[in-house]
Amino acid sequence: DVKVTQSSRYLVKRTGEKVFLECVQDMDHENMFWYRQDPGLGLRLIYFSYDVKMKEKGDIPEGYSVSREKKERFSLILESASTNQTSMYLCASSFHGYGYTFGSGTRLTVV
Amino acid sequence: GENVEQHPSTLSVQEGDSAVIKCTYSDSASNYFPWYKQELGKRPQLIIDIRSNVGEKKDQRIAVTLNKTAKHFSLHITETQPEDSAVYFCAASISNAGKSTFGDGTTLTVKP
Repeated sequence: DVKVTQSSRYLVKRTGEKVFLECVQDMDHENMFWYRQDPGLGLRLIYFSYDVKMKEKGDIPEGYSVSREKKERFSLILESASTNQTSMYLCASSFHGYGYTFGSGTRLTVV
Repeated sequence: GENVEQHPSTLSVQEGDSAVIKCTYSDSASNYFPWYKQELGKRPQLIIDIRSNVGEKKDQRIAVTLNKTAKHFSLHITETQPEDSAVYFCAASISNAGKSTFGDGTTLTVKP
């Protein structure tokens, strides 16, 4: 089974902090993604990466950046956390876009 | 970009009945349509997918149909069971582009 592991299940951060969310996959997938999930809004794409050091903006990239220095690791960075970034963050990986495997999610609360 | 609309947002059925969830997409170039099930407190998991060269696909009690002309696809669950209760997401993508656009989800409740 492909495993996608997110480093934290729950996080509480203060407004203005720089926040790092880490994601690691173990099946050599080229594609990795960061989504946020909010009630009634479904899954919205923040950033994705189709190769090491490659990244593309998704639908809601404002306030976020990403890093992919190694194929298995994709990090999401909140440059200066704000309360409207309180959400569930889901990382996913896939082989050429077919059938995502999701991580367990990180529930981030910004106070 | 791609836009995916999903209906209904909530669906309640009696155990044993069928459930149908419908999605429409806007980009005629989309050619891959997965469905994900997310149980409460868990990650979304792929349950079935269909590619644009196929009109229908079945896997036991679940099936997906695709109408490319009308740009809509549907998930059908027969003989529903309480363990089918979950949020279901449809998605559409251009497979070699990698990223999927998701619908807003349907909360299915199966009453025993």
